[in-house]
Amino acid sequence: EAGVAQSPRYKIIEKRQSVAFWCNPISGHATLYWYQQILGQGPKLLIQFQNNGVVDDSQLPKDRFSAERLKGVDSTLKIQPAKLEDSAVYLCASTRGGEAFFGQGTRLTVV
Amino acid sequence: QQPVQSPQAVILREGEDAVINCSSSKALYSVHWYRQKHGEAPVFLMILLKGGEQKGHEKISASFNEKKQQSSLYLTASQLSYSGTYFCGTGLYNQGGKLIFGQGTELSVKP
Repeated sequence: EAGVAQSPRYKIIEKRQSVAFWCNPISGHATLYWYQQILGQGPKLLIQFQNNGVVDDSQLPKDRFSAERLKGVDSTLKIQPAKLEDSAVYLCASTRGGEAFFGQGTRLTVV
Repeated sequence: QQPVQSPQAVILREGEDAVINCSSSKALYSVHWYRQKHGEAPVFLMILLKGGEQKGHEKISASFNEKKQQSSLYLTASQLSYSGTYFCGTGLYNQGGKLIFGQGTELSVKP
């Protein structure tokens, strides 16, 4: 079974630029999460999808972050414009039976 | 809503035991435990769904005290491979599977 795929693995951008991350969950997993993990902290939930609908986006800074899940499969997370404090690892996870499978994450550095 | 983990860090010698605690201020539907090694994605260890439930995974086991709204992870006869950061993730009732992670406990096992 292929795991959760994320790209890119690393990204360095200047503040005020925009960036997008892509996630392909495990086939058949209906629930998809995006987490932000700042160095030394636990993953913080940004948004949760069930198929292509948003279940929870209460922690998503909607003035700069947006996310979509196309046809209930792939998902993209966008930041526009980026701030220095957005530097973090962005993790995508999909779940089955309560177990969350995480991708390798995208390490974003905003300079 | 973020669960609180204790201790924040622990250093062990190979073969020693450790306990990591996870407490919530809200009634819990489920508790999930993950281990994350440096630079890698979190890896699922186990999920506890019922009050009083205990689960084991080789020499790593966990308990869930629903009444006290807490869970404990037990690592016995620790091995070098147990080193990493342990996160508990909590699921609340009527939250659609939303998973909130604690801040993590860094475990270092020395030879």
